[in-house]
Amino acid sequence: AQKITQTQPGMFVQEKEAVTLDCTYDTSDPSYGLFWYKQPSSGEMIFLIYQGSYDQQNATEGRYSLNFQKARKSANLVISASQLGDSAMYFCAMREGVGGSYIPTFGRGTSLIVHP
Amino acid sequence: DTGVSQDPRHKITKRGQNVTFRCDPISEHNRLYWYRQTLGQGPEFLTYFQNEAQLEKSRLLSDRFSAERPKGSFSTLEIQRTEQGDSAMYLCASSYFAGGFSNEQFFGPGTRLTVL
Repeated sequence: AQKITQTQPGMFVQEKEAVTLDCTYDTSDPSYGLFWYKQPSSGEMIFLIYQGSYDQQNATEGRYSLNFQKARKSANLVISASQLGDSAMYFCAMREGVGGSYIPTFGRGTSLIVHP
Repeated sequence: DTGVSQDPRHKITKRGQNVTFRCDPISEHNRLYWYRQTLGQGPEFLTYFQNEAQLEKSRLLSDRFSAERPKGSFSTLEIQRTEQGDSAMYLCASSYFAGGFSNEQFFGPGTRLTVL
């Protein structure tokens, strides 16, 4: 079974609008961390936001927020006020505590295109 | 500090040749990770080091792959007898691990390998 599922291969949004990128995860471990990364066409993965499984509040970092719904095992990324520079691939990842290896598993990604 | 660097950025080789990639992590980071990313996929974990010790290897890492991190600084990833299926982007990341899940990984720009 996929540990991280990103069901939207591609998303389009108009500049200045908000967009939500979906991510669902599968784990039986009570301790885990969820991450979102951005990968522009240059190839470098850029860390955006982190949510811990025990965090009571949704994480926010500037224009990025993580809509964490633990019971539904979803960790959607919300980008407010989209900018042209937000066009990129976005990856959701999870790090589980099993064995303490802390190795993240990545989803297949969502391609976001912001148009003027 | 200029971040994680990787060399070369691009490598084209013929099937059967050996190739070696280098990764220089952020200097104070104790963990170093290698990933492989193919088109349309998220990064897949290959191996990681804590200081100079190689702590975990993925089953994806066949006997033709070997990684080292002498003295706990830079790391090399060698692929022997390359095959066309080895064509991918090889990403390196580093982090400062002090326990927990939230330690973000900083990624390098990647080395794109093409095996002809």
